[in-house]
Amino acid sequence: AQSVTQPDIHITVSEGASLELRCNYSYGATPYLFWYVQSPGQGLQLLLKYFSGDTLVQGIKGFEAEFKRSQSSFNLRKPSVHWSDAAEYFCAVGAGQAGTALIFGKGTTLSVSS
Amino acid sequence: KAGVTQTPRYLIKTRGQQVTLSCSPISGHRSVSWYQQTPGQGLQFLFEYFSETQRNKGNFPGRFSGRQFSNSRSEMNVSTLELGDSALYLCASSLGGGRTTEAFFGQGTRLTVV
Repeated sequence: AQSVTQPDIHITVSEGASLELRCNYSYGATPYLFWYVQSPGQGLQLLLKYFSGDTLVQGIKGFEAEFKRSQSSFNLRKPSVHWSDAAEYFCAVGAGQAGTALIFGKGTTLSVSS
Repeated sequence: KAGVTQTPRYLIKTRGQQVTLSCSPISGHRSVSWYQQTPGQGLQFLFEYFSETQRNKGNFPGRFSGRQFSNSRSEMNVSTLELGDSALYLCASSLGGGRTTEAFFGQGTRLTVV
């Protein structure tokens, strides 16, 4: 069965430090992968997506992610974290017919310390 | 352009009642998906409608149902409410034409069952 695992429930990073959020997926076919961010009480905003091609994808707000098929991973990175990046981050894989049924990981809460 | 609109934003219902939530997708989007978000289970896919037909279905009981109208607006209904149905219900819309379309989320409806 398809699944997404985010091993880190909560991460604290100092402002200005680099960030890496981990995501591992289980999917039989070529995965379509997404990272979303959610601020408290809000919906989800798409940070970036991977469909095919270059395995390093760039997203909004300075985020990037690298798809590694051999490790079944799609880790999210940012070179320098800002206090406004504090939020919950979700990795997802597109499943079902047309890949429009998103399967989400449990999420990683990011706290930013000054 | 306008984003995904969900109404109402907040709802309080009594156990045993039924509830209907509404979602207006981005103009031109033909796919609408529904998700339930709870602290314990995280984000779970409920179902997806594309061109008025249910295309994907998650693993939820029959008390959860939905429909989509010819203008792509969608409604979700939960009958015989249980305390465990208290959650944030998120709607997402996408063009829906294939696996490379990304989903845009609304801000959600917070349902509290008492």
